[in-house]
Amino acid sequence: DTEVTQTPKHLVMGMTNKKSLKCEQHMGHRAMYWYKQKAKKPPELMFVYSYEKLSINESVPSRFSPECPNSSLLNLHLHALQPEDSALYLCASSQVDLGKQYFGPGTRLTVT
Amino acid sequence: GQQVMQIPQYQHVQEGEDFTTYCNSSTTLSNIQWYKQRPGGHPVFLIQLVKSGEVKKQKRLTFQFGEAKKNSSLHITATQTTDVGTYFCAGLGGGSNYKLTFGKGTLLTVNP
Repeated sequence: DTEVTQTPKHLVMGMTNKKSLKCEQHMGHRAMYWYKQKAKKPPELMFVYSYEKLSINESVPSRFSPECPNSSLLNLHLHALQPEDSALYLCASSQVDLGKQYFGPGTRLTVT
Repeated sequence: GQQVMQIPQYQHVQEGEDFTTYCNSSTTLSNIQWYKQRPGGHPVFLIQLVKSGEVKKQKRLTFQFGEAKKNSSLHITATQTTDVGTYFCAGLGGGSNYKLTFGKGTLLTVNP
């Protein structure tokens, strides 16, 4: 199984809502990532988890809160987002930190 | 900080023509990774280059890593319509620059 799954595929939320994005991989990878991608831009790294511990936080606003419940799951909790946070949120995993990455299909988030 | 420049931003070719995209890093890299993202899709890993001067081939794709490990290229011979997408390089810095930085990508369109 070389797949990273993400739910939901699409999400529309208001600025006062709380929602969560979910990501799952069963490849035994030790590193998992959250990226944000705006249209016609490269993926922008947000967080890196290594062995279930947060190893990199790229100065992401606190309205984004990551969580790694176990080695296969990664969540991104969203609260009080702004319209400019609308983007494609990609999860990825890799065998070694910052190595070859397998990306999930992404969650397309719209903040109204 | 580390910067990875990628050119060109866009390339439109006739089917059968060759295509090349170039990446240049402001710092020496530990490795460079290449990804392809189809329109509406997610990035898919193509290759990782680690050694100075390394050249790797995958069918019609040829990847090179510069001798100084600061630049790389991806060359596609005889493009096909299936090659359409955005090609990203991502450079992994070393030492205090230990982070994965994506280039802005090259969008390739192919006219059949």
